[in-house]
Amino acid sequence: EPEVTQTPSHQVTQMGQEVILRCVPISNHLYFYWYRQILGQKVEFLVSFYNNEISEKSEIFDDQFSVERPDGSNFTLKIRSTKLEDSAMYFCASSEDRAKNIQYFGAGTRLSVL
Amino acid sequence: AQSVSQHNHHVILSEAASLELGCNYSYGGTVNLFWYVQYPGQHLQLLLKYFSGDPLVKGIKGFEAEFIKSKFSFNLRKPSVQWSDTAEYFCASYGRAAGNKLTFGGGTRVLVKP
Repeated sequence: EPEVTQTPSHQVTQMGQEVILRCVPISNHLYFYWYRQILGQKVEFLVSFYNNEISEKSEIFDDQFSVERPDGSNFTLKIRSTKLEDSAMYFCASSEDRAKNIQYFGAGTRLSVL
Repeated sequence: AQSVSQHNHHVILSEAASLELGCNYSYGGTVNLFWYVQYPGQHLQLLLKYFSGDPLVKGIKGFEAEFIKSKFSFNLRKPSVQWSDTAEYFCASYGRAAGNKLTFGGGTRVLVKP
């Protein structure tokens, strides 16, 4: 079964550093997403991406965040200057269409900001 | 705005017991509903989904869920659990006219004792 893959599985960084989280969505999918889950809290939507542009973003997704699909297979989330409160599990997801919107998730990247 | 609530944060039961996890959503329009499961250390995996039609949907691993529109509910059930069902379960909604993000409930941790 096709899978969404995320790397790294765990990223430790110092506050103020830039991090890039990587995802390889399922190959025939057109819609891509990032979510995050702070420990003990709900899974929260960050951003969706379609046709090489952001289609929707949440209030969490401020100017410190950016997404990119640099080469037609990878989908990246960049955090420019990490804060302690960015520590969370970050999930990438992809879906084939918008009507049913069945989203398939990666295993996540645990980001620890020290 | 969409919201999803799951009634139980933690459930502990013995093998062969029946399981029912509550989920309520709030959204005024047409909604797709999902249950995801996350086994320890693994990615979010789709258990089952509801789009329309028969309100009783069957998913993988013997799980089923019933959509009750009048109660805005989509409860998950399994008649007889196994130790391998130990996981965290997430209910999610997708309001088709409200962007393409999933809105998640807080999750329910299920521990099945052998």
